[in-house]
Amino acid sequence: SQKIEQNSEALNIQEGKTATLTCNYTNYSPAYLQWYRQDPGRGPVFLLLIRENEKEKRKERLKVTFDTTLKQSLFHITASQPADSATYLCALDQGSSYKLIFGSGTRLLVRP
Amino acid sequence: SQTIHQWPATLVQPVGSPLSLECTVEGTSNPNLYWYRQAAGRGLQLLFYSVGIGQISSEVPQNLSASRPQDRQFILSSKKLLLSDSGFYLCAWSTGTGGVQPQHFGDGTRLSIL
Repeated sequence: SQKIEQNSEALNIQEGKTATLTCNYTNYSPAYLQWYRQDPGRGPVFLLLIRENEKEKRKERLKVTFDTTLKQSLFHITASQPADSATYLCALDQGSSYKLIFGSGTRLLVRP
Repeated sequence: SQTIHQWPATLVQPVGSPLSLECTVEGTSNPNLYWYRQAAGRGLQLLFYSVGIGQISSEVPQNLSASRPQDRQFILSSKKLLLSDSGFYLCAWSTGTGGVQPQHFGDGTRLSIL
């Protein structure tokens, strides 16, 4: 079955630096990969979706890459701010348009 | 715009008691609806999903059940709660057409079983 690996250790960076989070998956390559932000005690919020034929997607200070050869997606936040501190989850389709499988997330801490 | 409501926000229940968590979506028709459970520091585990009224698919065998009595209403139930049912329960919706769509989550119910 498909498995997703996200770094369980928190990423601690200085304000203004670029944060880079990693999502690795096993087995088959998904047609879509999504990134979500989750704040403590809240539901995840959708950020970006990237398709398998797209190498890169950008939205404001966010950038996502998708490398189907490495079976990896990278999520970048440029000019990071303390307000970016949260847990970031990646999610893959499971070959069905209805269902996603989620990683356990990586916590990002941005120091002022 | 679309909104999703989940209640209650927190719930403390004794072992063996029944459960009913409700989720409603506004501003869209015929959404796909989902129930997830999230353990502390873990990913989201899909429990149930529904693509239409009365259509429920179960992902994980357990003592929970789900129902969709109306197009935009999704209910998670149990007749007798177990200690292992503690967790953070999230409801989500997505549109039902055109490939994989983003999912939109409610703010969850923190369920503690004593």
